[in-house]
Amino acid sequence: DIQMTQSPSSLSASVGDRVTITCRASQGIGVYLAWFQQKPGKAPKSLLYAASTLQSGVPSKFSGSGSGTDFTLTISSLQPEDIATYYCQQYDSHPFTFGPGTKVDIK
Amino acid sequence: EVQLVESGGGLIQPGGSLRLSCAASGFTVSGNPMSWVRQAPGKGLEWVSVIYTGGTTYYADSVKGRFTISRDNSENTLYLQMSSLRAEDTAVYYCARDHRLFYWGQGTLVTVSS
Repeated sequence: DIQMTQSPSSLSASVGDRVTITCRASQGIGVYLAWFQQKPGKAPKSLLYAASTLQSGVPSKFSGSGSGTDFTLTISSLQPEDIATYYCQQYDSHPFTFGPGTKVDIK
Repeated sequence: EVQLVESGGGLIQPGGSLRLSCAASGFTVSGNPMSWVRQAPGKGLEWVSVIYTGGTTYYADSVKGRFTISRDNSENTLYLQMSSLRAEDTAVYYCARDHRLFYWGQGTLVTVSS
C-alpha cells in the first residue's frame, strides 16, 4: 500500500500569511493526488484534484503543485475561514490512502 | 444540485451487522464511481471502499472480507453492508461521489460497543 505523509502536522499563522503544506507519497503516484479541507464538526470538502486542478467553486487562493512523490498545497493569504484540517489523498492505486492531516489555525 | 444523504448508523454490538445507505440526488450513482470514507472519533480520514461504473469494487485491507459496497440504480442509492463489526469500526461513515471524492454527504455515526 502507498503511505502518505504530511508536514507539518499543525501550524499557526497570521491572517494574510502565505501557508504551504507538504504531502509525500511512499512511491510515485503521478498527479493522482487530491486535497481536502475539513472544518470542525463538518464533512470534508474537495479543494483540488489531479494535484493542481481547482474544484469548482473553490477560491483561487488555494493552489496545488507537484508530481511523483512530492506535493504542496498553498493558501496564498490565510483568512479566519480557512481554519481547518487539510488532508491529501492518493488515488493512483488501490487501496487509496489519506495523509494524516495538517491542522491550520490563526496565530 | 448534488446531494448525498447517509443513513443507517447506530449502536451495534461487536460481531453484529449493519447496512448503511447513501441516497443520491442531482446525479446518478450508476453513472459515477462512488466511495465510502470513514473517520474514527478524533482521528483522520480513512478510505474504505469504491465501486466503479462497471461494478468493480475495491476495499481497504482493514475491511476486506467483512464489508460489501453495492448500489441500487433504481433507487439511486449506494450501500455499505458491514458484518463482523469490531470496536475499531466505530466511526462516522461518509459516502462520496467519484473516486476523487468530489462531493460528500454529512456522514452517519456507527458505534460498535457492548
